[in-house]
Amino acid sequence: EDKVVQSPLSLVVHEGDTVTLNCSYEVTNFRSLLWYKQEKKAPTFLFMLTSSGIEKKSGRLSSILDKKELFSILNITATQTGDSAVYLCAVGVQGAQKLVFGQGTRLTINP
Amino acid sequence: DARVTQTPRHKVTEMGQEVTMRCQPILGHNTVFWYRQTMMQGLELLAYFRNRAPLDDSGMPKDRFSAEMPDATLATLKIQPSEPRDSAVYFCASGLSSPRQGSIQYFGAGTRLSVL
Repeated sequence: EDKVVQSPLSLVVHEGDTVTLNCSYEVTNFRSLLWYKQEKKAPTFLFMLTSSGIEKKSGRLSSILDKKELFSILNITATQTGDSAVYLCAVGVQGAQKLVFGQGTRLTINP
Repeated sequence: DARVTQTPRHKVTEMGQEVTMRCQPILGHNTVFWYRQTMMQGLELLAYFRNRAPLDDSGMPKDRFSAEMPDATLATLKIQPSEPRDSAVYFCASGLSSPRQGSIQYFGAGTRLSVL
């Protein structure tokens, strides 16, 4: 059975800190790994990674994939209160459009 | 500003009533997904369509849930009869089946369903 596991499940830090969120997966026929940010409403797309070792970056957020060790990390530097959200990791499989989601990491940034 | 549109945003109903949720995918997208999100289970895939054809509905309770795409601009999810355990947020997402964009799904704002 395809599985995506995120850690930690919950994280509380102070504004300005750097955080690293983890995502490990076990899927047959891996196609891609995606990160989403969910605040109060819909998950919003952040990154899609398909190749190992190539960092994707957007402002203070960055992510990298290791297909040999089957994991990805999402880094957020100089955190702000607006980064508080649930961060979801999902894996896409070959031959199907569907995504397998992890349970999410709830990140809280305190001022 | 292309987005997935879901209606209604909130629905409160009594047990046994029929509930219909609607979704308008992003224009040009050919895949549509229905998810249910609860605190306990997280995001669960209920069903999905490609080019309006149902591909997988194994996540849906078959006896009470049904999903359809009457046309390319409308997807529906029905629950009949509804039960309190169906209370959750239901998300619709759409995507474009292509080598470049293949896995990316864009989510609507969700329908928050409360069954009393």
